[in-house]
Amino acid sequence: GAVVSQHPSRVICKSGTSVKIECRSLDFQATTMFWYRQFPKQSLMLMATSNEGSKATYEQGVEKDKFLINHASLTLSTLTVTSAHPEDSSFYICSQGGDSSVETQYFGPGTRLLVL
Amino acid sequence: AQKITQTQPGMFVQEKEAVTLDCTYDTSDPSYGLFWYKQPSSGEMIFLIYQGSYDQQNATEGRYSLNFQKARKSANLVISASQLGDSAMYFCAMREVSSYDKVIFGPGTSLSVIP
Repeated sequence: GAVVSQHPSRVICKSGTSVKIECRSLDFQATTMFWYRQFPKQSLMLMATSNEGSKATYEQGVEKDKFLINHASLTLSTLTVTSAHPEDSSFYICSQGGDSSVETQYFGPGTRLLVL
Repeated sequence: AQKITQTQPGMFVQEKEAVTLDCTYDTSDPSYGLFWYKQPSSGEMIFLIYQGSYDQQNATEGRYSLNFQKARKSANLVISASQLGDSAMYFCAMREVSSYDKVIFGPGTSLSVIP
């Protein structure tokens, strides 16, 4: 099955700094990937759709200038949390892009971000 | 509006017993897919089972089966012979062709298996 990796698995940073999270597809070419955020004891909320070679599509209420997404190749999408604040502390998880012909949807292992 | 509803925030089941986790969904798209995921405390999302809207038969994967009732828009997960390792959060999710195949999640059900 498709394998998705994320790096780093956890990161602690100071308020005001920027943090980059990488999402790699290891055995498939991903023209799209999804980024989710999950707060403790809550569900996964879709933040944006990352599109290879073009701009990301953000869900309503997600600040595109705050959460910068770059998808420069078919195997790598990055999410940068700019000027992070404590309220950005969350679990960020990516998944392979949707494909209605495929009966699976694989996720990366997630990145725990703690902003002090 | 909530597209996926999981009405059971928490469930308990005795080890070796079967348990049903409820999921109802809302869509007008004739083509969609339904997923169930398990999320243990480590946070990883473990794919369990998939049901396509056009599938005639209910999906099964080992101890997992999906009770798909299309007219009622429900897709309940049945776990047979529960094991202690089944204790986790369980999420129902939906993918709609009309929404560019985005996958959205329900609020989840916390399952605790009692020895």
